[in-house]
Amino acid sequence: AQSVTQLGSHVSVSEGALVLLRCNYSSSVPPYLFWYVQYPNQGLQLLLKYTTGATLVKGINGFEAEFKKSETSFHLTKPSAHMSDAAEYVCAVTRRDLNAGKSTFGDGTTLTVKP
Amino acid sequence: DTGVSQDPRHKITKRGQNVTFRCDPISEHNRLYWYRQTLGQGPEFLTYFQNEAQLEKSRLLSDRFSAERPKGSFSTLEIQRTEQGDSAMYLCASSPQTGGMSYNEQFFGPGTRLTVL
Repeated sequence: AQSVTQLGSHVSVSEGALVLLRCNYSSSVPPYLFWYVQYPNQGLQLLLKYTTGATLVKGINGFEAEFKKSETSFHLTKPSAHMSDAAEYVCAVTRRDLNAGKSTFGDGTTLTVKP
Repeated sequence: DTGVSQDPRHKITKRGQNVTFRCDPISEHNRLYWYRQTLGQGPEFLTYFQNEAQLEKSRLLSDRFSAERPKGSFSTLEIQRTEQGDSAMYLCASSPQTGGMSYNEQFFGPGTRLTVL
């Protein structure tokens, strides 16, 4: 069975500061990894994904994440926070086999950006 | 194509009533998923379809829940005899099946928020 742990349900940073949102997973084989952003009353929007190849992946809005197999982590970072980054961020994993479709999600981290 | 759509966006019902939600996936996406999200939690998988076949159902999906995708296009999720614990956001997602890999980017709809009084 897979699981996803997001450390810190709430993270608060000042505008211009580094954003670091943590995600660790448990899986029998390295899965596909995703970060989504969710605004109030909206569905999930994909920020970035890791499937294969380069372990540092870049996404939309200046976010990036690094897959570290030895640490089973996929932390999300952004060098400089903007007010518009305030949202819920959800990490997810999906199994790597042909018949698997579902994703397993973390509980999300709410990012607050202070002026 | 404007993405995954869900209808209604909000539903308020009384305990014991039946409700039905609809999801229209992105055209030609053969996979369709239903998730449930409660406050403070991430989405939890309920069920998924490949074309019209329902391939997997979570144990979360009690016998009061039923999902269909009769023609492999839109899907409906019905909850019978609703309970207050059913109050949640119900999310639908669709994805293509690309080549020989199961790489699986899911595109999510805006969700249907259900409130059971």
